[in-house]
Order: sequence, then structure tokens, then C-alpha cells
Amino acid sequence: DAGVIQSPRHEVTEMGQEVTLRCKPISGHDYLFWYRQTMMRGLELLIYFNNNVPIDDSGMPEDRFSAKMPNASFSTLKIQPSEPRDSAVYFCASSLVGERGINSPLHFGNGTRLTVT
Amino acid sequence: AQSVTQLGSHVSVSEGALVLLRCNYSSSVPPYLFWYVQYPNQGLQLLLKYTSAATLVKGINGFEAEFKKSETSFHLTKPSAHMSDAAEYFCAVTEGFGNEKLTFGTGTRLTIIP
Repeated sequence: DAGVIQSPRHEVTEMGQEVTLRCKPISGHDYLFWYRQTMMRGLELLIYFNNNVPIDDSGMPEDRFSAKMPNASFSTLKIQPSEPRDSAVYFCASSLVGERGINSPLHFGNGTRLTVT
Repeated sequence: AQSVTQLGSHVSVSEGALVLLRCNYSSSVPPYLFWYVQYPNQGLQLLLKYTSAATLVKGINGFEAEFKKSETSFHLTKPSAHMSDAAEYFCAVTEGFGNEKLTFGTGTRLTIIP
């Protein structure tokens, strides 16, 4: 398997613009997570999906952030409008519920480095 | 509530020396504990995990960690550091089977001195 695939790898945009980050999880995985990594806050869980359904979005910082998972092989994280404080590395990760309900470890993509000027 | 504390945001060791990265956890129930590694410009990948079986856990690349309940610790060690071990290491804890409750530490950046 190719692993979790994220695009783009780098995104530079101006304040106020819409930004869309994309993620393709590992085939067969039924959990998908979006994380944000910054020097100040470390790794933060933004939202996660189970079987394409958003389960917990309490980590989404503001209404400017939204995430969708229209099917099992694709998810997007959208920021509209973007602000300089949104600059961070955004990671997508997926996992699978295995035997006895124990999740497999998280498999991370290589991230999208977002810079908002 | 669960949490992890990683002591030392930066650790430097000489090539061939012992690597010791410290992690202490707090959990109201028996925890599951993990170490993840992040190489530059990459996502995190699992090094090893403790899920209530053997207290000494062996992982990839020669790393191992020991779960010590009395000390609430899960320190990561490697007997002999290699240049390729330079990366950031994250300890994580969860109180359940699922990754949705996974809490990461703030990370320790490991530098290897030639």
C-alpha cells in the first residue's frame, strides 16, 4: 500500500483566501484523523471520522475550519478564510479497528505545510 | 484525564552512546503507551507500543521501552545511537482501545553527535 497520501505538500496563501487540504487514507482503514502540528501547541487533534462519519470535531479551532469525508478514500480539510495564525503542518492519519476492537496504530501522511501570509 | 510528560525537549548523544528519552504518564486506568518517531518532513510512525502484555517492549530500529507502573514511566532506550536515529520522538498515551483518545507528548528532538 502507498500509505496515507496528502496533498499538497506545501501551500502558501494570502490571508483571507480559502485553503483546501486533501487526504487519501490507507485502503480498508475505517478511522481518519486530522491533526495540526505547531511549535507552540505540538500535535493537536482537530477532528476524526469513523466510517466516513464525523465523530468528534471539538478540536476544530473555529468555524473557519471544516472537514468532510465524502467516501472511504478521500477527505478534505478546508479553512475559509485563512489567517496567519493558521500556519502549521497539517497531518492526516488513518487506522483500522482490528481484533477485539483494538485499533491498529495510527498511520500518518507526510503532512501539508501551510503558510498564510 | 490522561497526559504524558516528556522530560527534555532536546537530547544530544554521541554516535555509539546510549540513548535515553524520558516519558512519564498520568492515567486513571491502566494505559496503553506508544512511542512514535518523526523524521524531517515526514509524518509520525510507530516505534513501539505497550498494551498490557510484557512490560519490556521491543520496537523497530533497535529501540525498546520499559513500562514501570510504580514510576508511571515509559522511557525509550537504545544501547548504541546511530546517525540515522536523529529525529523527533513522541510519547503517547490512551486509556482505551481507540486512537481517538490518544494524547501526545510535546516531543523530544534527538541529535546525534558524530
